[in-house]
Amino acid sequence: DQQVKQNSPSLSVQEGRISILNCDYTNSMFDYFLWYKKYPAEGPTFLISISSIKDKNEDGRFTVFLNKSAKHLSLHIVPSQPGDSAVYFCAAHLTSGTYKYIFGTGTRLKVLA
Amino acid sequence: DAGVIQSPRHEVTEMGQEVTLRCKPISGHNSLFWYRQTMMRGLELLIYFNNNVPIDDSGMPEDRFSAKMPNASFSTLKIQPSEPRDSAVYFCASIIGGVNGYTFGSGTRLTVV
Repeated sequence: DQQVKQNSPSLSVQEGRISILNCDYTNSMFDYFLWYKKYPAEGPTFLISISSIKDKNEDGRFTVFLNKSAKHLSLHIVPSQPGDSAVYFCAAHLTSGTYKYIFGTGTRLKVLA
Repeated sequence: DAGVIQSPRHEVTEMGQEVTLRCKPISGHNSLFWYRQTMMRGLELLIYFNNNVPIDDSGMPEDRFSAKMPNASFSTLKIQPSEPRDSAVYFCASIIGGVNGYTFGSGTRLTVV
């Protein structure tokens, strides 16, 4: 039972354009969400997060949008750069007093020069 | 700060053999997590510890998997006996708290032949 779903396994975007990565979830008890980026042969690294009480969080070229009614979040990268090519994981945290995160299956982004 | 350190980076073993993966969390981090990455299921949480105590091992696939954290600076994940379907990348992560997520190690790529 995948509580966090990333339905697009891969995405290709031209350099300079916008990349939009999507994530859907099923559990309304998630209280914040995170995006991680993973390069080959490295561990995932934290990119950006958003609390469930907000609908947008921005950090430089990266913006995360949360639509609670649709149980959907998205990561926008503008402008996309070749160095952004990586696998992006969406993760969700349950309101439980622990730091247990549930991850999606990832989306491989390729930014074409 | 050397980050989360995992060893070995790569492990190739024959079916039926015992495999031990090791992790050193970041000093001062009081929660440690073991994840497994596969193409089909993404990042799955296997087990996590808080203050060296196992809190949730519901993700451990079966009795062949076991994990220990004898002290705050060391954890092991053991598979005995190993099977080809255990082939995956295993990540260890630690966290001290806050909303910026885990710090992951570089992972151990396990291949069981």
